[in-house]
Amino acid sequence: SFELTQLPSVSVSPGQTASITCSGDKLGDKYASWYQQKPGQSPVLVIYQDTTRPSGIPERFSGSNSGNTATLTISGTQAMDEAAYYCQAWDSGTVVFGGGTKLTVL
Amino acid sequence: QVTLKESGPVLVKPTETLTLTCTVSGFSLSNAAMGVSWIRQPPGKALEWLAHIFSNDEKSYSTSLKTRLTISKDTSKSQVVLTMTNMDPVDTGTYYCARIPRVYYDSSGPHFDYWGQGTLVTVSS
Repeated sequence: SFELTQLPSVSVSPGQTASITCSGDKLGDKYASWYQQKPGQSPVLVIYQDTTRPSGIPERFSGSNSGNTATLTISGTQAMDEAAYYCQAWDSGTVVFGGGTKLTVL
Repeated sequence: QVTLKESGPVLVKPTETLTLTCTVSGFSLSNAAMGVSWIRQPPGKALEWLAHIFSNDEKSYSTSLKTRLTISKDTSKSQVVLTMTNMDPVDTGTYYCARIPRVYYDSSGPHFDYWGQGTLVTVSS
């Protein structure tokens, strides 16, 4: 079955660029979405169709997807961006989520 | 304003059947452009998709859970209902409903643009 793999944690200094990756077999042939989830809150969609930001999501969030890896990039990371991030794709009629990456801003 | 709100029991016993209701507002379940999904999250763990349904009654289920799940909708009440049979303690977690914009679904599969607040379900005797 199709699986998406994420690193459990990533750290970044304020103002720097954070890259969160999501790996899956031929993921670049599918579309990836990304969700931000802060403690005690529901997930929020930050990227869909690999690169598209929903209305209201800051421009510092961007996405890419090629080969076996999709990447969520946060430029000029702020303290408010500290959260768990989940990637998601669609394969053979099934929605698959990655295991999540905890982004720490320190 | 789009909102989704989950409701159901806080506590269920092992082997019982769980019934959850998602009540939506700000869009209609008869709108061909929208669908609703159920997604769960065990405490401290990752998200797990369960099922979704569209206005034409098209449904899809998680492969690993499909024998236990049934999703349905009542358009007149703006509600989507999920039932899960034979509940087990490993099914403990927060259950979310979320909206799927159909316009992207046919080309790229679903993504979830609005989420409910979630409802915590504990399975324990």
